[in-house]
Amino acid sequence: AQSVTQLGSHVSVSEGALVLLRCNYSSSVPPYLFWYVQYPNQGLQLLLKYTSAATLVKGINGFEAEFKKSETSFHLTKPSAHMSDAAEYFCAVSDNTDKLIFGTGTRLQVFP
Amino acid sequence: DAGVIQSPRHEVTEMGQEVTLRCKPISGHNSLFWYRQTMMRGLELLIYFNNNVPIDDSGMPEDRFSAKMPNASFSTLKIQPSEPRDSAVYFCASAGQMNTEAFFGQGTRLTVV
Repeated sequence: AQSVTQLGSHVSVSEGALVLLRCNYSSSVPPYLFWYVQYPNQGLQLLLKYTSAATLVKGINGFEAEFKKSETSFHLTKPSAHMSDAAEYFCAVSDNTDKLIFGTGTRLQVFP
Repeated sequence: DAGVIQSPRHEVTEMGQEVTLRCKPISGHNSLFWYRQTMMRGLELLIYFNNNVPIDDSGMPEDRFSAKMPNASFSTLKIQPSEPRDSAVYFCASAGQMNTEAFFGQGTRLTVV
């Protein structure tokens, strides 16, 4: 069965600083990996996804993630945080079915 | 397309009452998911359908929960009888082809008192 582990339930950065949100996955087959963002009182929306093409995936709002098979990781980064990036971020994995399993989420705070 | 539509947005009910949450997926999508989100347990997959057929309901907490998808454009999640521990935000999501993006609704915030 596949699963994801998000290290750090809360991350705080200053505006303009690097954002790094960690995600490690477990899957018995080549995984499909996703990052979603949730703003307060909203549903989840897709930031980016890895589907076995390029290992470095670029998403919306300047975010990107790199798939590293040797480390079973799919960390999310953004070079320069903006106040509007404050939200909760979820890593998710699916195998060759439709079942999408989410991590526990990381709440990002951005300070001025 | 209006996206995934859930109703109601908020529901407050008394313990023991029946609660029905509704979802209209995006037209043309053939997968539908029900998730529950709480502070303690995060985002849990309750059940998902493919082509209106329940594929995996292993996340449904107990027999008080049931879900149906009578056609491609409508699904319900029912809790009977409801309990305070069912209080959570319930999300519906739909997806097109396998392993593509899941689109989420705005959620239904359920409070059982």
